[in-house]
Amino acid sequence: GQSLEQPSEVTAVEGAIVQINCTYQTSGFYGLSWYQQHDGGAPTFLSYNGLDGLEETGRFSSFLSRSDSYGYLLLQELQMKDSASYFCAVAGNTGKLIFGQGTTLQVKP
Amino acid sequence: NAGVTQTPKFQVLKTGQSMTLQCAQDMNHNSMYWYRQDPGMGLRLIYYSASEGTTDKGEVPNGYNVSRLNKREFSLRLESAAPSQTSVYFCASTGGGAYGYTFGSGTRLTVV
Repeated sequence: GQSLEQPSEVTAVEGAIVQINCTYQTSGFYGLSWYQQHDGGAPTFLSYNGLDGLEETGRFSSFLSRSDSYGYLLLQELQMKDSASYFCAVAGNTGKLIFGQGTTLQVKP
Repeated sequence: NAGVTQTPKFQVLKTGQSMTLQCAQDMNHNSMYWYRQDPGMGLRLIYYSASEGTTDKGEVPNGYNVSRLNKREFSLRLESAAPSQTSVYFCASTGGGAYGYTFGSGTRLTVV
């Protein structure tokens, strides 16, 4: 089976940097994805790591270490609009995504 | 706008009633998925269709059936709704395997 663990809540101040960690257990690993979801909204794709290392997209970066079954999402220059839930998700060889429980990020002024 | 369209957006059912949730995508994606999300929880996979003509069970398939009508449409049916199926249902599609799912706006279902 597959399981993921990520913190339930993280709080940070505007302009700061925050890191959301994700550890996973899976049989047949193809990649780690991150999604953002605002209250009442649909999840939206942020990033995907298929190989070890860092992927950068603007203020957001995502990291993967396959040997440690670990990844993280790094958000820089936090803005109020970044307050949302963030989900890591693992993909097996069928392409289907299994999601973690989500981390609620609260950005304070 | 291109994307994934779900109907209806809201629905209230009585226990034992049946209904079908509709999902259509216009991005020519091969794979489509149905997830449910309960309050404060992550998304759990109900059923998926890797390509037209195929469907497979996900993590929580009991009480549901699906139909991949064609490449664009993937419907989810509740044959006899139960209060435990009160949830928000999301449809998603992807053309690139695990990369970059596009989600619909969701169907908020309440079973009383």
